[in-house]
Parts: sequence; structure tokens; C-alpha cells
Amino acid sequence: SQQGEEDPQALSIQEGENATMNCSYKTSINNLQWYRQNSGRGLVHLILIRSNEREKHSGRLRVTLDTSKKSSSLLITASRAADTASYFCATGGNQFYFGTGTSLTVIP
Amino acid sequence: EPEVTQTPSHQVTQMGQEVILRCVPISNHLYFYWYRQILGQKVEFLVSFYNNEISEKSEIFDDQFSVERPDGSNFTLKIRSTKLEDSAMYFCASSQRPSGGHQETQYFGPGTRLLVL
Repeated sequence: SQQGEEDPQALSIQEGENATMNCSYKTSINNLQWYRQNSGRGLVHLILIRSNEREKHSGRLRVTLDTSKKSSSLLITASRAADTASYFCATGGNQFYFGTGTSLTVIP
Repeated sequence: EPEVTQTPSHQVTQMGQEVILRCVPISNHLYFYWYRQILGQKVEFLVSFYNNEISEKSEIFDDQFSVERPDGSNFTLKIRSTKLEDSAMYFCASSQRPSGGHQETQYFGPGTRLLVL
């Protein structure tokens, strides 16, 4: 299975702090994507990082990819209460494999 | 910004009934997908669809399920005879291209919450 697995399962931080979530996967990939899901809502695409990239930025998001360790991290800087959501990494091609996600709570 | 839309947002049905979940993918996308998420569990792939054919399907996608693109805009998931365990959030997604090329990001709709009683 190519499933990504995120850790920690839950993370609670104060507004303004940085949040780091990790993802590990099992097989070789072409790219890895991070999604956010607000409670009971759809998945919102955050960022895609390709297998030949090591780091990518988008606004307050920073994603790293280490293909030798089959892992990726998502860093959210200067967190806001609105960042409270579950975050998933997804790998795969035609079909995506999602992990169980990291539930992030940002306390105002 | 274009987005994937799904209807209905919620559906309640009796066990054994047929349901059709509808999706309107992003207009210039060619690849379409259905996923489901049982409450508290992972998002699971069901099926992918391209050029009016199923290109991949998971073990979950058994004979009870079917997909169709009845016209140029809609993409539907039909569950022929619903079971209690079909209760889940069903997500439609679309992408311009499959993995390996550019713009392979899958964009997800807001989901349809299906409750089977």
C-alpha cells in the first residue's frame, strides 16, 4: 500500500505558534500532496510537492520531502484559529491514498 | 475559482433503496473520481473514470456501485441497494490529468453525507 500516515494524530497549539505535521509513506511516489479538511467538510488542496523537489513554500505553508526516508512534513507558521482542521497527506496516481490525518487545534 | 460541486449535500435513505449521488466536476477536467469517508475513518478511493470508462476501482467498488457521465457536465455514483455500512461521506474529485503529468492535483467537492437507515 502507498498509504501516507500522518503523525501526530492530534496537535494542539496556541495561536501564533508554528505547527509541524509529518507524513510517512511506503512506496516510491511521483508526488505527494497535502490536503486540509474542516470538520464535516470537503478536502481542500494545499500543496503538491514532486519527487524531485525537497522543499516547497506557499504562503504560511512549508512542505519538505525526503524520498530516502519516505517522509514529508508540513509546517504552518504563525498559526491562526482558522487553521484548526485535519490535515492529510496523499500519495498515489490515479487513485489517492490518504492517511488518517493530523487533527490540528489552534487555540485563540 | 472553478470548483467541484456535489448534490445533494445530505441524503437519508432506507436500507435496500437506490441512491444516486451527483457531481459536477471542474469543466476542463478529464479525470473523475469518487471517494468515501466513513465517520472517523480514512478517506478511501472508490473509482476513477476517464473517457467514459472506469480506469481503476477499489475492492469497495463492488457490483452495487456504478458510475456514469450521463452528459457533458455531470458525473454520478449510483448505489443500487444501499446497506447500513454504506453510510459515509462521499466525495467527488476531478483532475485535468492523471499523475505523472502536470496539473494532476485532484480537486474535491464538498461531499454528500449519506445516511442509510
